[in-house]
Amino acid sequence: GDSVTQMEGPVTLSEEAFLTINCTYTATGYPSLFWYVQYPGEGLQLLLKATKADDKGSNKGFEATYRKETTSFHLEKGSVQVSDSAVYFCALRGGSRLTFGEGTQLTVNP
Amino acid sequence: DGGITQSPKYLFRKEGQNVTLSCEQNLNHDAMYWYRQDPGQGLRLIYYSQIVNDFQKGDIAEGYSVSREKKESFPLTVTSAQKNPTAFYLCASSPPGTSGGSQETQYFGPGTRLLVL
Repeated sequence: GDSVTQMEGPVTLSEEAFLTINCTYTATGYPSLFWYVQYPGEGLQLLLKATKADDKGSNKGFEATYRKETTSFHLEKGSVQVSDSAVYFCALRGGSRLTFGEGTQLTVNP
Repeated sequence: DGGITQSPKYLFRKEGQNVTLSCEQNLNHDAMYWYRQDPGQGLRLIYYSQIVNDFQKGDIAEGYSVSREKKESFPLTVTSAQKNPTAFYLCASSPPGTSGGSQETQYFGPGTRLLVL
């Protein structure tokens, strides 16, 4: 079945540091890939998505590229802010269902 | 404003009691979903519905039940058979789209936290 593996957290960075959160997946066919963000006590918000190989999703300074050859969708941001502190989930959708990774807690210190 | 609402924000359940979590959407989406989130873990799918009057079990359906009598509503009942119900419950919806819906984004509600007294 489909699965998503994220780098283990928590991740702690200083403000303006470079962020990478690794995500790899296993799926049949050609899934769509998503990054969601969850702030404390809230639901999930879509951060970005990519629907086919080599697509780059971007939003609020975050980027991720759909790499079919390495089955990866790593999340990057060049300069993080304190307000980026949250839990980040990688997910894939091969049909009607989403499959989530376990989430990576990011804390950004001033 | 279009969106997904969940109520209540916090819910307390006594032993042996059934409780129902509400999920309403005014996005005109066909598909709706219920997930369970435990601390430090990802989301696990409980039930989903792609159309009115039809729903399917997800990965952890035991101890839960749902109904889909209206397009905009997808309530979840946590029954007394669910022995460990304490968790954060998230409802989501998505439009049907093309390609079997695989490209469509799921939109999430704010969640309900269920606690056992």
